Amino acid sequence: NAGVTQTPKFQVLKTGQSMTLQCAQDMNHNSMYWYRQDPGMGLRLIYYSASEGTTDKGEVPNGYNVSRLNKREFSLRLESAAPSQTSVYFCATQKGGGNTGELFFGEGSRLTVL
Amino acid sequence: QKEVEQNSGPLSVPEGAIASLNCTYSDRGSQSFFWYRQYSGKSPELIMFIYSNGDKEDGRFTAQLNKASQYVSLLIRDSQPSDSATYLCAVKPGTYKYIFGTGTRLKVLA
Repeated sequence: NAGVTQTPKFQVLKTGQSMTLQCAQDMNHNSMYWYRQDPGMGLRLIYYSASEGTTDKGEVPNGYNVSRLNKREFSLRLESAAPSQTSVYFCATQKGGGNTGELFFGEGSRLTVL
Repeated sequence: QKEVEQNSGPLSVPEGAIASLNCTYSDRGSQSFFWYRQYSGKSPELIMFIYSNGDKEDGRFTAQLNKASQYVSLLIRDSQPSDSATYLCAVKPGTYKYIFGTGTRLKVLA
């Protein structure tokens, strides 16, 4: 039972390159999220997927795209990486729904854009 | 005013003492409140959640919620060096919306 698995764990890109961060969960949760975490900024929501087949923008969506491939998988794509996207990215799933429901996080993907 | 505010710390407490971590929030419609622990270089790990006013205890941890004052706190009794981490407060004002504070760094001194 792996929970929430993210790949890759570390990545270095050059400005303008593209890449996809993968996230897979075996918790059978409907909702999945992508956050970025920067020093002094806290966790900021990039995109979320309430359920399979739906995606919505969060607080900082510019420069990112997402795909909810199926119930288990939610990927985050950087089409043309910029140094401002250097960050730690966390995928999370939500247990339950409505106004309750805890988030469970993957181990994170540390991205550096040169 | 930030939506969720925490003192960044570090909060230093001696081993065995009670650590008190505080969080205030601005959205009065928030229904759910969470505390996460994050070790350096690791992902946030859920410690506790609380939905109702009052106290909720789980082992050495107690979460306290006061919706009238828009205040939530986390008490850690018998603090251990292994409790040294950053503690994130999160508030859930909507179905798919979570707002995180920037965290309080706790140092438990042996």
